[in-house]
Amino acid sequence: NAGVTQTPKFQVLKTGQSMTLQCAQDMNHEYMSWYRQDPGMGLRLIHYSVGAGITDQGEVPNGYNVSRSTTEDFPLRLLSAAPSQTSVYFCASSRNRESNQPQHFGDGTRLSIL
Amino acid sequence: DAKTTQPNSMESNEEEPVHLPCNHSTISGTDYIHWYRQLPSQGPEYVIHGLTSNVNNRMASLAIAEDRKSSTLILHRATLRDAAVYYCILRGSGGSNYKLTFGKGTLLTVNP
Repeated sequence: NAGVTQTPKFQVLKTGQSMTLQCAQDMNHEYMSWYRQDPGMGLRLIHYSVGAGITDQGEVPNGYNVSRSTTEDFPLRLLSAAPSQTSVYFCASSRNRESNQPQHFGDGTRLSIL
Repeated sequence: DAKTTQPNSMESNEEEPVHLPCNHSTISGTDYIHWYRQLPSQGPEYVIHGLTSNVNNRMASLAIAEDRKSSTLILHRATLRDAAVYYCILRGSGGSNYKLTFGKGTLLTVNP
């Protein structure tokens, strides 16, 4: 029972490089989202998706791109990495976006931009 | 989003009950009360949620005040593994219900 799987767990990039953070869930959940967590800031929503083919912006979308071609996968792309994107990234999923649905989180990707 | 207020930190002894309070005086009638916790170096973990009635599950109990302006997460017998930051979050219907708004939470320390 894998739940939400994020890869890689750690990554170091140079400024200007691009990369994709992977997120997959095996619970057939409609709703998926990406958060970043910075010290003293709590978790902030980057992008979210209410189903395959549908994505939307969260609070801090600049510098990130997403797509949802399948129900299971929701990758997050950094287009041109900047030091300000050094953070811990969490992917979450839930059955749908209704307010009574628990969200399930992955273990995170720790990203450092030099 | 309605705001929640939690103590910054609490301490407990192993195998004793823990009561984690949360105030949410501006809660609306359709807001669900959710609790998550985050262990060191892990992602947030769902604990429990409720609307009006008290709720129990295998992890914890949630006691909701009759006026719904406060709630208490109850861990019946704390273990060392329960040491974490606990977040009390309100989720309403419509509008921004698509996201969880995490505050600073309560850091729970469990002493052996």
